[in-house]
Amino acid sequence: EPEVTQTPSHQVTQMGQEVILRCVPISNHLYFYWYRQILGQKVEFLVSFYNNEISEKSEIFDDQFSVERPDGSNFTLKIRSTKLEDSAMYFCASIRAYNQETQYFGPGTRLLVL
Amino acid sequence: QKEVEQNSGPLSVPEGAIASLNCTYSDRVSQSFFWYRQYSGKSPELIMSIYSNGDKEDGRFTAQLNKASQYVSLLIRDSQPSDSATYLCAVSTDSWGKFQFGAGTQVVVTP
Repeated sequence: EPEVTQTPSHQVTQMGQEVILRCVPISNHLYFYWYRQILGQKVEFLVSFYNNEISEKSEIFDDQFSVERPDGSNFTLKIRSTKLEDSAMYFCASIRAYNQETQYFGPGTRLLVL
Repeated sequence: QKEVEQNSGPLSVPEGAIASLNCTYSDRVSQSFFWYRQYSGKSPELIMSIYSNGDKEDGRFTAQLNKASQYVSLLIRDSQPSDSATYLCAVSTDSWGKFQFGAGTQVVVTP
């Protein structure tokens, strides 16, 4: 069964450094999402992406965040200058079409900012 | 502020019993509703989706939706120790399909 993959599984970085989290959505899916989950807290929406542009973003998704789909398969989340509070699990998800579709989540990247 | 509310638990359930989980949501135009299971340190794993009022059964799981009361529930029958996890309620409202999650209910099934 097709699945969403994410790399790396774990990332440790120093505060102020840039990180890029990578996702490979399911191949025929058209809508892509990033969520984050700070330890012990709820899963929070960051951004949705469709047709090579951001369709919606949350208040969390400020100027230090960016997303892109550099080729036909990868979907990346870049954090330009990491802060301690960016430490979290980051999940990528995708769906084929938006209406009544289940989102399939990748295994996540655990980001630790020191 | 659109909210999805769940009791945090923990909900302790004897093995073989029924676990009953509840979720309320604030946005009346919500269209799609999902229950995910999340083990510690892992990603959410889909259990059930429900879109229409009423009950939907899948194996040991039954989801119930009442849009008038803005309420969705999940029943787990014949609970097993492997059902011990956090159960997340997710609601999709807008056209871009983003999910709003509740904080989750921790379920502990005791042998």
